[in-house]
Amino acid sequence: KAGVTQTPRYLIKTRGQQVTLSCSPISGHRSVSWYQQTPGQGLQFLFEYFSETQRNKGNFPGRFSGRQFSNSRSEMNVSTLELGDSALYLCASSPKTGPYGYTFGSGTRLTVV
Amino acid sequence: KNQVEQSPQSLIILEGKNCTLQCNYTVSPFSNLRWYKQDTGRGPVSLTIMTFSENTKSNGRYTATLDADTKQSSLHITASQLSDSASYICVVRSREIKAAGNKLTFGGGTRVLVKP
Repeated sequence: KAGVTQTPRYLIKTRGQQVTLSCSPISGHRSVSWYQQTPGQGLQFLFEYFSETQRNKGNFPGRFSGRQFSNSRSEMNVSTLELGDSALYLCASSPKTGPYGYTFGSGTRLTVV
Repeated sequence: KNQVEQSPQSLIILEGKNCTLQCNYTVSPFSNLRWYKQDTGRGPVSLTIMTFSENTKSNGRYTATLDADTKQSSLHITASQLSDSASYICVVRSREIKAAGNKLTFGGGTRVLVKP
């Protein structure tokens, strides 16, 4: 059974650009959540999707957005990149929302220069 | 405010020795607590999950304890191996229905380095 797949693994962008990250959840998992991880702030919740609907949102500016497709795959977009957006972006999937187990992907390492 | 504090921030242990990591939380109402292991540059992998009624849970050489009264958890690593070198993250979930975010509060992690 394939795990959570995130693409690309590494990305380098310049300030002001935008970026789209992709996440394919475990087959059958309908909930996808996104997290930003930095050395200074640790893991921070971005948003969670279930059945193509955003269910929860963390405290990030509107430059961070996401969506989920009918096949449960999800994308995350960051517009007008800032140096501080450099981080490891993690996606996690679970069968449904609620107190269920989350399986994380290996992440996308974004570097903004 | 829900918080999860982990200690120590980092530690170095010799291969074969035991160590214990601490996690104190203020999350309320409490739903469950998970310990994750995260290798450098990889995503976190779940080690254990504990609910309110569980005191101890083991996963191989990893044993987690939970004291819901004092809101403390520990992760004990027995007979450490070089592959145990990683960050260990404590994550607490709230039962609060109207909580912001996805009800998860993350600890800052403990970085463990096992030396031969």
